[in-house]
Amino acid sequence: DAGVIQSPRHEVTEMGQEVTLRCKPISGHDYLFWYRQTMMRGLELLIYFNNNVPIDDSGMPEDRFSAKMPNASFSTLKIQPSEPRDSAVYFCATSDGEKGPNQPQHFGDGTRLSIL
Amino acid sequence: SQQGEEDPQALSIQEGENATMNCSYKTSINNLQWYRQNSGRGLVHLILIRSNEREKHSGRLRVTLDTSKKSSSLLITASRAADTASYFCATMDTGRRALTFGSGTRLQVQP
Repeated sequence: DAGVIQSPRHEVTEMGQEVTLRCKPISGHDYLFWYRQTMMRGLELLIYFNNNVPIDDSGMPEDRFSAKMPNASFSTLKIQPSEPRDSAVYFCATSDGEKGPNQPQHFGDGTRLSIL
Repeated sequence: SQQGEEDPQALSIQEGENATMNCSYKTSINNLQWYRQNSGRGLVHLILIRSNEREKHSGRLRVTLDTSKKSSSLLITASRAADTASYFCATMDTGRRALTFGSGTRLQVQP
């Protein structure tokens, strides 16, 4: 079974450009999470979805960030306009919530984003 | 925001020795989980302990949970060079499904 697939693996772009990160969850998983990892702040939750509906977006830094899950097979995280302080590794993770809360999360390999 | 601190921040041991990492948290939790992260990769789930459990084993891993002290420890026995990685504890708060991560412990196992 394929794991969580994220694309691109690396993205380098200039400040002010729009950035779109993509995630394909594990088939059948109904929870999808976006996390960001930086040296200064560690791993922090940005937003999570259940059955394609956003449940908690309190971690989204500001209006420049938006996330969508148009169907059970795909999610995007968009930054517009991007700023150098957005440079980080962005992870997508999914879990099978139908089995209850005591389930592990499965992480993709992340997108390493550099904003120049 | 991060749940709490992990201790130590870095640990260097010889192959065959045991490694112990500690984690503290601040809230009421459903469970506590430990993850491993190799350089440049995503996090890999190691073990989950529920709030009503006190100890759990999986292979060379032993996890304890003390909810009265809001702390957990991860013991890796008979360490191997391949265990070199960063280890993170993560808590799932009661009523939520997202994880709050600790600051991580960097483990170096010398062959």
